[in-house]
Amino acid sequence: KQEVTQIPAALSVPEGENLVLNCSFTDSAIYNLQWFRQDPGKGLTSLLLIQSSQREQTSGRLNASLDKSSGRSTLYIAASQPGDSATYLCAARGGGNKLTFGTGTQLKVEL
Amino acid sequence: DTEVTQTPKHLVMGMTNKKSLKCEQHMGHRAMYWYKQKAKKPPELMFVYSYEKLSINESVPSRFSPECPNSSLLNLHLHALQPEDSALYLCASSHTTGTNYEQYFGPGTRLTVT
Repeated sequence: KQEVTQIPAALSVPEGENLVLNCSFTDSAIYNLQWFRQDPGKGLTSLLLIQSSQREQTSGRLNASLDKSSGRSTLYIAASQPGDSATYLCAARGGGNKLTFGTGTQLKVEL
Repeated sequence: DTEVTQTPKHLVMGMTNKKSLKCEQHMGHRAMYWYKQKAKKPPELMFVYSYEKLSINESVPSRFSPECPNSSLLNLHLHALQPEDSALYLCASSHTTGTNYEQYFGPGTRLTVT
């Protein structure tokens, strides 16, 4: 059974700092890995999707990497802003269109 | 348009009530999903529909009954729920073929069972 863990569980940084969120998964037989953002009480917003054959994907200030062999993905956020404050979730896609979500990292960017 | 809509936004129901949650997408996706999310926990998959047929049921109690009347609509019928069923219910959709797809999520329905 796939298990996905995210470290740290919570993170507080000053505005402008670059930061890295970590995601680990136990079963490397994944089709892709997706990063989401969730604001309190809201739905999930897809940020980036990395195919199993890819090493990284970039969108604006966000860069996600994937190392399938070691079961790890990272989300790099450059020049953080208060509007980046949210919970970030990674999810690994296995067979049967099933996503297994990580435990989430709650990010707070302070002025 | 990458929007998944869900109604209602909030729902309060008693344990003897029958209610339904609705989800709609017009992206041509043929896979649709229901997730349950408790506070400060990640979403948990409940059901997957592929081409309007139920393909995955994650051992969900029968008081939750999904329905996919057409390729754009997904319903979740609720009956005789328990207070512990209170949660955010999220709907999502995606393409079904190939590996290069994203799941798009709706804003969710906040359900409170009294």
